[in-house]
Amino acid sequence: EAQVTQNPRYLITVTGKKLTVTCSQNMNHEYMSWYRQDPGLGLRQIYYSMNVEVTDKGDVPEGYKVSRKEKRNFPLILESPSPNQTSLYFCASSSPFGQGAEAFFGQGTRLTVV
Amino acid sequence: AQTVTQSQPEMSVQEAETVTLSCTYDTSENNYYLFWYKQPPSRQMILVIRQEAYKQQNATENRFSVNFQKAAKSFSLKISDSQLGDTAMYFCASNNAGNMLTFGGGTRLMVKP
Repeated sequence: EAQVTQNPRYLITVTGKKLTVTCSQNMNHEYMSWYRQDPGLGLRQIYYSMNVEVTDKGDVPEGYKVSRKEKRNFPLILESPSPNQTSLYFCASSSPFGQGAEAFFGQGTRLTVV
Repeated sequence: AQTVTQSQPEMSVQEAETVTLSCTYDTSENNYYLFWYKQPPSRQMILVIRQEAYKQQNATENRFSVNFQKAAKSFSLKISDSQLGDTAMYFCASNNAGNMLTFGGGTRLMVKP
């Protein structure tokens, strides 16, 4: 089954404690990206990757890191989480957007930073 | 830069009736795509319908159709014969040849029995 898998689905952590949210896709997609969803703001892109070892900033990259060492995986790293990073996070993958490709989303990770 | 605006934070409709969700966008690109995504309470993001800016004909997918007005930069979603399962957040989104998918703030739709 074609899917994007994120883990964990729920996470509560304390300020400053490093965490990683994993994302894996089995569709051999070149593009992968991370979004955060906040009420009234929709989904905003954090980082994206066009292919292995190629990443770039989205609209709201501050406080986040990513890496793309393998085509299927695109983890999101919060080195020192802060309460303003409490949000719902989505990983997505697709073929190149320029062709109108559909973005496939993971199940979401609800992160709470206290 | 692209922007997408959904002016209706919440809407409700009676089961079996028709509802239209509004979306406006702004882009400097010549070629772009527009999308409507549905997010039910399960949080899963589901593609409802997509439209290529170069196509004048409005896209249709079963009970879902769009009214694409390119000059006005408007992209509304019409849901006919609303069903209880249509209750969800709906997001309008646009992209271009680049790598950014830009979303609106969402419209929460409640279908009432």
